[in-house]
Amino acid sequence: NAGVTQTPKFQVLKTGQSMTLQCAQDMNHEYMSWYRQDPGMGLRLIHYSVGAGITDQGEVPNGYNVSRSTTEDFPLRLLSAAPSQTSVYFCASSYGGGEKLFFGSGTQLSVL
Amino acid sequence: TQLLEQSPQFLSIQEGENLTVYCNSSSVFSSLQWYRQEPGEGPVLLVTVVTGGEVKKLKRLTFQFGDARKDSSLHITAAQPGDTGLYLCRSSGTYKYIFGTGTRLKVLA
Repeated sequence: NAGVTQTPKFQVLKTGQSMTLQCAQDMNHEYMSWYRQDPGMGLRLIHYSVGAGITDQGEVPNGYNVSRSTTEDFPLRLLSAAPSQTSVYFCASSYGGGEKLFFGSGTQLSVL
Repeated sequence: TQLLEQSPQFLSIQEGENLTVYCNSSSVFSSLQWYRQEPGEGPVLLVTVVTGGEVKKLKRLTFQFGDARKDSSLHITAAQPGDTGLYLCRSSGTYKYIFGTGTRLKVLA
């Protein structure tokens, strides 16, 4: 049972480049979410989804897009990378928004 | 926008000491979760509290939910180096669940 799978684990981008962080879960969870964690800080919610076809903004959505075409996948797109987006990104899923969150292993992103 | 403030932000203590960390909000929670995160890993759920005044124990960890459901505390008895990590609360009031600002705990042997 893979749980929540995030790829890539590390990524370096140049300012202005775009990329997609992949997130997939095999637990049939309805709720999926993306967070960023800056050094020494807590997790800030970027976007979340309560089911296929439904997405909504979190605390810090600017510069990021998401889509949820299937229950399993919830990719995060950086439209035009900026140094301020250098962070560790976590994807998480749960049966419902208030249920236990299962996290992926994280993506360390550096934007130069 | 609901904000979850955690205090203290940092805590460094000796093995065997007791400590309490707090999670506070201006809004009422329907429920609240506590997570612990170790370096290089995602957070792991410790407990969920639902009822105002509720107390839950997990070995040496005691979690309390405020009567008004606007605050929560985590008390660790006789802290051990294995308790080192980032402690995060998470609100469950609406679908826009957010994490608190975090308390970074270091327990020295």
